[in-house]
Amino acid sequence: KQEVTQIPAALSVPEGENLVLNCSFTDSAIYNLQWFRQDPGKGLTSLLLIQSSQREQTSGRLNASLDKSSGRSTLYIAASQPGDSATYLCAPDSGNTPLVFGKGTRLSVIA
Amino acid sequence: DAGVIQSPRHEVTEMGQEVTLRCKPISGHNSLFWYRQTMMRGLELLIYFNNNVPIDDSGMPEDRFSAKMPNASFSTLKIQPSEPRDSAVYFCASSFRSEAGELFFGEGSRLTVL
Repeated sequence: KQEVTQIPAALSVPEGENLVLNCSFTDSAIYNLQWFRQDPGKGLTSLLLIQSSQREQTSGRLNASLDKSSGRSTLYIAASQPGDSATYLCAPDSGNTPLVFGKGTRLSVIA
Repeated sequence: DAGVIQSPRHEVTEMGQEVTLRCKPISGHNSLFWYRQTMMRGLELLIYFNNNVPIDDSGMPEDRFSAKMPNASFSTLKIQPSEPRDSAVYFCASSFRSEAGELFFGEGSRLTVL
């Protein structure tokens, strides 16, 4: 059974910092991995989807990397802004079962 | 597209009452998922459907919970009778296919059972 761990559980940084969110998973036989953002009181929004054949995926100031063999993914946020404050969740997709989510990293970017 | 639409957004009810949550997936998507989110347990999958057929309901807590998908554009999650421990945010999500497909979430239904 896939288990997903996200570290740290919470993070508070000053505006402008570059930061890294970590995701580890126990079953490395995955098709892809998605990173989501959740704002308070809202649903989850997909940020990036990395296919298992890819090493990384970029969207604006966000860069996600995937090391399938070691069961790790990182989300890098460059030049953080207060608008980046949210909870970030990762979800590896094993292909034969629905997504399993980590508990997320709650990010606060202080102006 | 309007995205995944859930109703109601908020529901407050008393213990023992029946609760029905509704979901309209994105048109053209053939997989639908019901998740529950709490602070303690995070996001948990309750049940999912492929082409309107329930595939895995092992996440449904107990017989008080039931879900239906009578057609490709509508699903319900029912709790009868409701209990205070059912208080959570319930999310519906849809994708084009259940495997390796990008998942799109609704805004959620926040349930409070008193």
